[in-house]
Amino acid sequence: QVQLVESGGGVVQPGRSLRLSCVASGFMFSNYGMHWVRQAPGKGLEWVAVIWSDGSNKYYADSVKGRFTISRDDSKNTLYLQMINLRAEDTAVYYCATEGGQLSFCESWGQGTLVTVSS
Amino acid sequence: QSALTQPPSASGSPGQSVTISCTGTSSDVGGYNYVSWYQQHPGKAPKLMIYEVSKRPSGVPDRFSGSKSGNTASLTVSGLQAEDEADYYCSSRAGSNNVLFGGGTKLTVL
Repeated sequence: QVQLVESGGGVVQPGRSLRLSCVASGFMFSNYGMHWVRQAPGKGLEWVAVIWSDGSNKYYADSVKGRFTISRDDSKNTLYLQMINLRAEDTAVYYCATEGGQLSFCESWGQGTLVTVSS
Repeated sequence: QSALTQPPSASGSPGQSVTISCTGTSSDVGGYNYVSWYQQHPGKAPKLMIYEVSKRPSGVPDRFSGSKSGNTASLTVSGLQAEDEADYYCSSRAGSNNVLFGGGTKLTVL
């Protein structure tokens, strides 16, 4: 079955960088677009970024544009989120999810990894 | 763009039906048949319950149904059960390169 396992979260100071990973298994990773979605403590879901299955297109929420970069390595079945210049408001659980097609829905979700931005 | 608008809370007794609304604009909910709904229990990852307005993934009970009229989408849970108590989020494609979520609705089974 589909399994998505995020890692790379932790405590980081404002202005620093962090890279999240999401390892996929149980499906043909290279055939799927992938999302990152985050959830601040006690708050709702916020879409962060999406990458097409072939990596040709990448789109970002305005709140992270210019600071976050989504990428993928199909040889490793792994999705990444490079985050720079982190702010306190980036504190959240970050989930990766498979793309249902046409930016239509997030089908399968990982368990999330917590990023805390604090001095 | 602003988040989609959901009521913060909804409730119903076991066996009853409850409907949760999700209001957007003609640039998101009203412009695409790409509305989805997610269930999230405390401390757990979200789970897809409805996609493309009214389609149910395999394994989701048919007690869950979705619809849309204009700029407002709705999730109806019929025959409420205790395990339905959770947070529910709607989402919609918004333009060619954006996705929006609603603020979430906490469903309480009385």
